[in-house]
Order: sequence, then structure tokens, then C-alpha cells
Amino acid sequence: GQNIDQPTEMTATEGAIVQINCTYQTSGFNGLFWYQQHAGEAPTFLSYNVLDGLEEKGRFSSFLSRSKGYSYLLLKELQMKDSASYLCASMDSNYQLIWGAGTKLIIKP
Amino acid sequence: DTAVSQTPKYLVTQMGNDKSIKCEQNLGHDTMYWYKQDSKKFLKIMFSYNNKELIINETVPNRFSPKSPDKAHLNLHINSLELGDSAVYFCASSQEMSDNQLGETQYFGPGTRLLVL
Repeated sequence: GQNIDQPTEMTATEGAIVQINCTYQTSGFNGLFWYQQHAGEAPTFLSYNVLDGLEEKGRFSSFLSRSKGYSYLLLKELQMKDSASYLCASMDSNYQLIWGAGTKLIIKP
Repeated sequence: DTAVSQTPKYLVTQMGNDKSIKCEQNLGHDTMYWYKQDSKKFLKIMFSYNNKELIINETVPNRFSPKSPDKAHLNLHINSLELGDSAVYFCASSQEMSDNQLGETQYFGPGTRLLVL
């Protein structure tokens, strides 16, 4: 079956660093996406990885290990506005996104 | 300009009614999607559609039907609404996925919050 696992909730302090992990099992693999979703709003694209390694984009970085079926999203210099849910999604062989339930990130002052 | 728009934003209705949610994208994308996000926040694909193919998630009841009058629109029609249909429905669009176009971002509409009483 197809499965995406990520922690339900994490808490971090403003200015700190947090890593959100995601493991995936999908029928085929065409890349791993991370989306951000603020409460009551639509998901917005953060990153895409299809090759192993780290992709850095400003304060956010995303890592992929295809052999381990594992990805993480790294958020640096946390700001209060980063409080949101972070959704991991794997694209399967039919180019469909299989979504995790999201990790709710709570930032404290 | 709004890239992906949906109407209505909120929809409250009685069990057994038939309702439609409209979606339009002005990005020139080839593929559109409908997702259901339930109270546990799982995003579940319901349909993906381009001008060549409709892909239906087999778990979606046939009370749900997508209708696409043209490439920029994909509406969702729901017959005989049930309590369990209460959720947030998101429309999204992207360029057509292929071996040469991996990583195409899906752009989401603002969502339609459906409450069935």
C-alpha cells in the first residue's frame, strides 16, 4: 500500500531550528514535495526533491534519501509566521500526489 | 489576479440535496484536481483531469462527478449529500505531468468548506 508518515505536531522556539521528518512508501516515485498550510488556508508549495541530497531555499531546506524512503524539511531562524501545518507528499508512478496528514508546527516566543 | 478560484467559499446544506462547487484557473495549466481534506487534515485526491484523461480515485463514491466545460474549469457536482461529505474541498491545477516535467507545482484554490446537516 501507499503510506506517508510524519509527526502529528511539533513545538519550537522563535529563532531556533526545527527538522520535520517524513517517510514514504508509494507505488513508484517521481519526487517528494513539501507544502505549507496555514490554518483555514490552502496549501502552498515549498520544495521539491527528486534526487538524493539537500536543496536549500532561504530559511527552508529539504533533504531526500530515496534508498531510505525518507525526507526532512529544515526550517531555520524560526519566525512566528512559520506556525502552520507542513505537508509531505510523494508523487507516485501515475504522477498522483500521495499526502501525509501534515505536521502542525507551533512556534513559541 | 487569483490563480485558482473556487466558489462558494462556504456551503451549508441539508442531507439529500445536490450541490455543485465551481473551480477556475487562469494559469493556462493542463491538469486540474479535486481534493477532499477531512477533519484529520488528510488531503485525499478525488479526481485529476486533463483534456485527455480523467483519473478517478476508486474510493470516491459515484455521487461525486467532475464536469469540465473547458480547460480552465473543473466543477464538482455532488448528488444526495451525506453527513460524511462534510469537509473542505480544494481545487488545484498544474502543468501536465510527464517524464519531462516532473516537479510541476500544484497550485491550490482557497477551498470550499462544506457542511452537511
